[in-house]
Amino acid sequence: QVQLVESGGDVVQPGESLRLSCAASESTFRNYGMHWVRQAPGKGLEWVAFIRDDGSFKYVADSVKGRFTISRDNSKNMLYLQMNSLRTEDTAIYYCVRWTVGNVFDIWGHGTVVTVST
Amino acid sequence: DVVMTQSPLSLPVTLGQPASISCRSSQSLEHSPANTYLSWFQQRPGHSPRRLIYEVSKRDSGVPDRFSGSGSGTDFTLKISRVEAEDVGVYYCMQGTHWPPLTFGGGTKVEIK
Repeated sequence: QVQLVESGGDVVQPGESLRLSCAASESTFRNYGMHWVRQAPGKGLEWVAFIRDDGSFKYVADSVKGRFTISRDNSKNMLYLQMNSLRTEDTAIYYCVRWTVGNVFDIWGHGTVVTVST
Repeated sequence: DVVMTQSPLSLPVTLGQPASISCRSSQSLEHSPANTYLSWFQQRPGHSPRRLIYEVSKRDSGVPDRFSGSGSGTDFTLKISRVEAEDVGVYYCMQGTHWPPLTFGGGTKVEIK
């Protein structure tokens, strides 16, 4: 089964930038839409962003609009999340998640931790 | 945005007893007569979420048959027929009918009494 491995999480200060990456283990990656979902410490799940399989459509949550950009490189089986102007409320575990038939997530990565703090 | 409301927030259950979690949406989740995009996820402590149920009642391969999903329109339920120790964790419902944004319920924490 395909595996998703996130990386790039770090401790940063408010206003700084960070780029998260998600590596897929199989080239079938190109056939699927992908999302980022985050989970603040001790909180529930929050959808962040989506990109279509070919990269032609992208959506981001209102809470990150204008600051976060989702992208992908199908030749490298990679998904990215560029996060600018980070705020303390962006502190969370960020999961890379595959989108499949039935309008549902099927495979989740293990997550990468982003901490925004002074 | 569709608001997903789960109850209860916390569910203490005796081993071997049934458990039931409710999920209500602020709009009908029926996308078409054949498709309602409501799914359930389990998150064990320290782990990523795992899909249990999709399209209301379709159970993922490898998910024990003690888990079942039901409902329609705006009211949905996840049932565990006999709770086992490995079922401890937080359960989330999610709607994929009216998006963006995708929205989740707030979660229900299942624990053993």
